[in-house]
Amino acid sequence: GAVVSQHPSRVICKSGTSVKIECRSLDFQATTMFWYRQFPKKSLMLMATSNEGSKATYEQGVEKDKFLINHASLTLSTLTVTSAHPEDSSFYICSAEGPSTDTQYFGPGTRLTVL
Amino acid sequence: KNEVEQSPQNLTAQEGEFITINCSYSVGISALHWLQQHPGGGIVSLFMLSSGKKKHGRLIATINIQEKHSSLHITASHPRDSAVYICAVIDGGATNKLIFGTGTLLAVQP
Repeated sequence: GAVVSQHPSRVICKSGTSVKIECRSLDFQATTMFWYRQFPKKSLMLMATSNEGSKATYEQGVEKDKFLINHASLTLSTLTVTSAHPEDSSFYICSAEGPSTDTQYFGPGTRLTVL
Repeated sequence: KNEVEQSPQNLTAQEGEFITINCSYSVGISALHWLQQHPGGGIVSLFMLSSGKKKHGRLIATINIQEKHSSLHITASHPRDSAVYICAVIDGGATNKLIFGTGTLLAVQP
């Protein structure tokens, strides 16, 4: 089946630094990728929809300048958490829309801890 | 009220039991996913369905579009089935956004 990878799987950083998370579709091209955030024991929250070659569409309440999304190719989207703070600590998950637009393939997630 | 409701929120079963997790939604959808999330965090899509019933191994998923309801069944449950099961519906609009239920934490005891 389709595979989506995320890197890194786990990152610990100091407050004020920026962290980049990569999401790759390994065996298919994904025009659209989604970035989610998950708090402990909570459901996934859609942060933004990333479209290759165009600006990402952010959900209400998500700061565009805080969470920079770049979808430069059909197999790679990146999420950069800028000037990270402890409240940004969370589990970030990406998904890629498969060849059939009603199928999404999920990455394994990235655990971000900001000290 | 959430657009996607799951029940139960927590479920403990003995190995071998038949398990049912329910999902009700209040929005128009084009399809519905059942997802599995293990303690490590990775999410696996178990089923995507828009009508009827699908079966994969010991897992069965059904959906009733008219009643806006879906069920996930696990037959002959096993401790390795312990995970969070999440129902997610695909917005029937143009965005293909997923709307997630809050998940059902399943623990299967040996």
